[in-house]
Amino acid sequence: QKEVEQNSGPLSVPEGAIASLNCTYSDRGSQSFFWYRQYSGKSPELIMFIYSNGDKEDGRFTAQLNKASQYVSLLIRDSQPSDSATYLCAVNAGNTGKLIFGQGTTLQVKP
Amino acid sequence: GAVVSQHPSRVICKSGTSVKIECRSLDFQATTMFWYRQFPKQSLMLMATSNEGSKATYEQGVEKDKFLINHASLTLSTLTVTSAHPEDSSFYICSARDVVAGGFQETQYFGPGTRLLVL
Repeated sequence: QKEVEQNSGPLSVPEGAIASLNCTYSDRGSQSFFWYRQYSGKSPELIMFIYSNGDKEDGRFTAQLNKASQYVSLLIRDSQPSDSATYLCAVNAGNTGKLIFGQGTTLQVKP
Repeated sequence: GAVVSQHPSRVICKSGTSVKIECRSLDFQATTMFWYRQFPKQSLMLMATSNEGSKATYEQGVEKDKFLINHASLTLSTLTVTSAHPEDSSFYICSARDVVAGGFQETQYFGPGTRLLVL
């Protein structure tokens, strides 16, 4: 059973701090990794994707991938209250195009 | 990022009626779309994979005769909930797969979702 694991949280950080969200996956053959943000009552929104080992930065967001450790993380710098949401880690499942989602980590950024 | 639309955004219907939900990729072609369902405070549940020009592939436990999927073109997939009952009330979300030509690099974009309430 291919799995993606996330700590459900909630992860609470003060405004302006760095939020660190972590995800592990079981399928070593996975090649595509995604972070989605989902606000309550809304659909998921793609915020980052990463395919290669290392870091990928986009504005205040940095995705980090370590395939050897089967670990992908998302760092949010200068966290804002508007970043409060559930963050879903997703990993591709072979060539089907399907994504396997973690259960999501709830982030609370306190003013 | 690419845009995926869904229509309607919310629908209320009587028990026993059928409801059709449309999912469109607006600025890219999607040979594959996915349909999810999400109950309050729960994770996304993949229902089926919609493939343009072929039959949909349903996840285990999802009734294909109840949730009819048609992928009529490279930009449109529809989900019809037949003979809806109150337990079908949920948030239905589609996504479209955007594949970069020539490689494994792909992304999946979600529509805004359709909230279904069956009375």
